[in-house]
Amino acid sequence: DAMVIQNPRYQVTQFGKPVTLSCSQTLNHNVMYWYQQKSSQAPKLLFHYYDKDFNNEADTPDNFQSRRPNTSFCFLDIRSPGLGDAAMYLCATSRDSGARADTQYFGPGTRLTVL
Amino acid sequence: GEDVEQSLFLSVREGDSSVINCTYTDSSSTYLYWYKQEPGAGLQLLTYIFSNMDMKQDQRLTVLLNKKDKHLSLRIADTQTGDSAIYFCAENHGGSQGNLIFGKGTKLSVKP
Repeated sequence: DAMVIQNPRYQVTQFGKPVTLSCSQTLNHNVMYWYQQKSSQAPKLLFHYYDKDFNNEADTPDNFQSRRPNTSFCFLDIRSPGLGDAAMYLCATSRDSGARADTQYFGPGTRLTVL
Repeated sequence: GEDVEQSLFLSVREGDSSVINCTYTDSSSTYLYWYKQEPGAGLQLLTYIFSNMDMKQDQRLTVLLNKKDKHLSLRIADTQTGDSAIYFCAENHGGSQGNLIFGKGTKLSVKP
């Protein structure tokens, strides 16, 4: 049974055309994360939500935004995709993030192609 | 700064043991993780170790942690062709909420 679901698995968009990637979870976890993974590179954290509290990484471009309308869903919005934004986008969840480490569970990812 | 280093490639024969190594720099890391990524897929949590442990064994997987040298390894016994994947080492950056720092991944190729 899928616990972290990402739709679509593959997304093609045009240069400059806004695109939204979707993530949902059945784990009822408090924390949801979005990572960007470029080819042959490590995943890089873009931002995360602790419940409704949004936490942006310092080096995440303004072009990337996120919404979390409820516990189960989180969206990644790319306002004006550039060629350099082509990547795999991974969503992850954890039960309760805090000073102690908390295991993160990943979805299958959405591969974004920018034409 | 924060850095996690791994060798990029490892090739073994089916049935042999695989050892994937990782070094990290953040001595405040509380947990260290191993994730597996198959082609075109997300990250699958394989195992993790708490920083006050030296070793953890889980079926074919053995994790060794040398905290003094900041060295982590993953041993896969009796490696199978289905183990072919990229293996990521990750540390939890204790200061930030849930911020995992990943290595670049080791691509394991298993030859029949």
